[in-house]
Amino acid sequence: SAVISQKPSRDICQRGTSLTIQCQVDSQVTMMFWYRQQPGQSLTLIATANQGSEATYESGFVIDKFPISRPNLTFSTLTVSNMSPEDSSIYLCSVEEGTGASYIQYFGAGTRLSVL
Amino acid sequence: GQNIDQPTEMTATEGAIVQINCTYQTSGFNGLFWYQQHAGEAPTFLSYNVLDGLEEKGRFSSFLSRSKGYSYLLLKELQMKDSASYLCAVRVGSNYQLIWGAGTKLIIKP
Repeated sequence: SAVISQKPSRDICQRGTSLTIQCQVDSQVTMMFWYRQQPGQSLTLIATANQGSEATYESGFVIDKFPISRPNLTFSTLTVSNMSPEDSSIYLCSVEEGTGASYIQYFGAGTRLSVL
Repeated sequence: GQNIDQPTEMTATEGAIVQINCTYQTSGFNGLFWYQQHAGEAPTFLSYNVLDGLEEKGRFSSFLSRSKGYSYLLLKELQMKDSASYLCAVRVGSNYQLIWGAGTKLIIKP
């Protein structure tokens, strides 16, 4: 499976600031995904990032709050803007690999964000 | 709507066997996934079922019944390192989207 590097691994930020999370993959992938996982909760998909096009956001998530870049087939960034304590969460990037019907999502190590 | 149910927490003894159940009600079905997630870490892929039956992979096995909307993950010869959350996820269509269960926290006791 692809090796996914995500950074920072954790950060503590002040209310009102922004944080950009980077996700680097060691192979070219078409689709990259950004998830949020709040404490004790399941994974919630924020958006899907395809290279060369605008990210597709899920219900409840907007570009102004979570701008995403996907400049090439191995890299993406997610920015959490104008943060509030409610944004404290783990943010995960993932990529999908496989053939035919057997596509598996693999995850980076995650970014643990605390907003004060 | 889309819904996946898993027990919140289970406890088992080292060396024993445990079965974690997952039931789903989704608008479509194109595969069921199990992931393991240790505290503070990312989910790691365990198994994938798209046809009915049992898939065995070492100490872990996963079962699927599409007619019943039911799957289970079976862990044998439990080890302390198996203490983790186990997430069930369903692909509902031909695209990428996965519907995730809330996860089952498995506690292994000596």
